[in-house]
Amino acid sequence: SQQGEEDPQALSIQEGENATMNCSYKTSINNLQWYRQNSGRGLVHLILIRSNEREKHSGRLRVTLDTSKKSSSLLITASRAADTASYFCATDIIQGAQKLVFGQGTRLTINP
Amino acid sequence: EPEVTQTPSHQVTQMGQEVILRCVPISNHLYFYWYRQILGQKVEFLVSFYNNEISEKSEIFDDQFSVERPDGSNFTLKIRSTKLEDSAMYFCASSEAKQWAGGLSQPQHFGDGTRLSIL
Repeated sequence: SQQGEEDPQALSIQEGENATMNCSYKTSINNLQWYRQNSGRGLVHLILIRSNEREKHSGRLRVTLDTSKKSSSLLITASRAADTASYFCATDIIQGAQKLVFGQGTRLTINP
Repeated sequence: EPEVTQTPSHQVTQMGQEVILRCVPISNHLYFYWYRQILGQKVEFLVSFYNNEISEKSEIFDDQFSVERPDGSNFTLKIRSTKLEDSAMYFCASSEAKQWAGGLSQPQHFGDGTRLSIL
């Protein structure tokens, strides 16, 4: 079993629609972070949600965290073509040090 | 906004050669990291570095790898004798060190990576 698995692996929607991506994990965590990666580029930090938080907003992004189900979701509202990218959740485990464990990612395509 | 910078953006090296990847972390950050991403696969943790020493490393980070902070700004990853399977995108990241409930909960800021191609 792997820490940090995103679902779906790929998502294609029309511009203006909302996109929801999910992430599940196995072990207890300190926090969960979402990153975006444009093709051939680095990882851009989007949002961090701590284990004692349930929901967090940043602009058009909304992240939820359910520690009882060990899952998180990332909602992008009113999607734009520029949102086309891969989205990864990353966790750091309480007993670990500073490393992040990434999931496989969701490839999001926004069609104009 | 401050950012992590990595050089070179692309490195092509013959198998068996040594390679050094360079990173300039964000200036007030204290934790530094290297990750790699083999084409089409997950981003994998390699090593974290704090207070001039390795704080954690993965099983990938074997004896052929080393890290160094040679001065106050650079952070380097050296691969001594490269193998074909070392071909990947290598990302440097940095974060502040702030305690929260006994753990560290700070976002890690990534550079754009160095694409390493081993021939």
